[in-house]
Amino acid sequence: DAGVTQSPTHLIKTRGQQVTLRCSPKSGHDTVSWYQQALGQGPQFIFQYYEEEERQRGNFPDRFSGHQFPNYSSELNVNALLLGDSALYLCASSLTPGVRIKNIQYFGAGTRLSVL
Amino acid sequence: DQQVKQNSPSLSVQEGRISILNCDYTNSMFDYFLWYKKYPAEGPTFLISISSIKDKNEDGRFTVFLNKSAKHLSLHIVPSQPGDSAVYFCAATPFTGGGNKLTFGTGTQLKVEL
Repeated sequence: DAGVTQSPTHLIKTRGQQVTLRCSPKSGHDTVSWYQQALGQGPQFIFQYYEEEERQRGNFPDRFSGHQFPNYSSELNVNALLLGDSALYLCASSLTPGVRIKNIQYFGAGTRLSVL
Repeated sequence: DQQVKQNSPSLSVQEGRISILNCDYTNSMFDYFLWYKKYPAEGPTFLISISSIKDKNEDGRFTVFLNKSAKHLSLHIVPSQPGDSAVYFCAATPFTGGGNKLTFGTGTQLKVEL
């Protein structure tokens, strides 16, 4: 049973460029959340997708956008990259929120983005 | 505003002893709390959780205690093993179950020494 997979593992971009990160959820999961983890910090919630729509959003600018496909996989897009966007980007998958009492988010290994 | 705080960036414990990791929160709307551990080059792995209607949850060597009046939770690991050396994150959500937006602390690096 494959867990959450993310690609690519590492990415180097320059300021002003655009980037797309990809995530495949754990088998049986239909909900995908994205988090940004800066060095020395805990993960910060960017947004969550289910039923191909953004359902919740954290305190991130519109430069951060996403998409969910019918097979539940997801993409995170970041436009006009800034130096401060350098971080580990984590994807987590879970079941539809509210479906059950215990609904744990399972994380992928992340994509390390460096903006030069 | 840091709504979930882990004030100890690091903790060193001897093998076989108890490890106690602490977490404080400020948002009284938080209803469900989780602990994740993270090894280098891996994503966070779920460890244990607790609902606000309980004050203790146990799973093998891991026990989480919740003190709602103090807005404080702790993770106890007994006995500690070298393989427990990792960064531990406390997380909270206002939604029951853990499937919604999680707010994380900054983590505590646990080192279990032989």
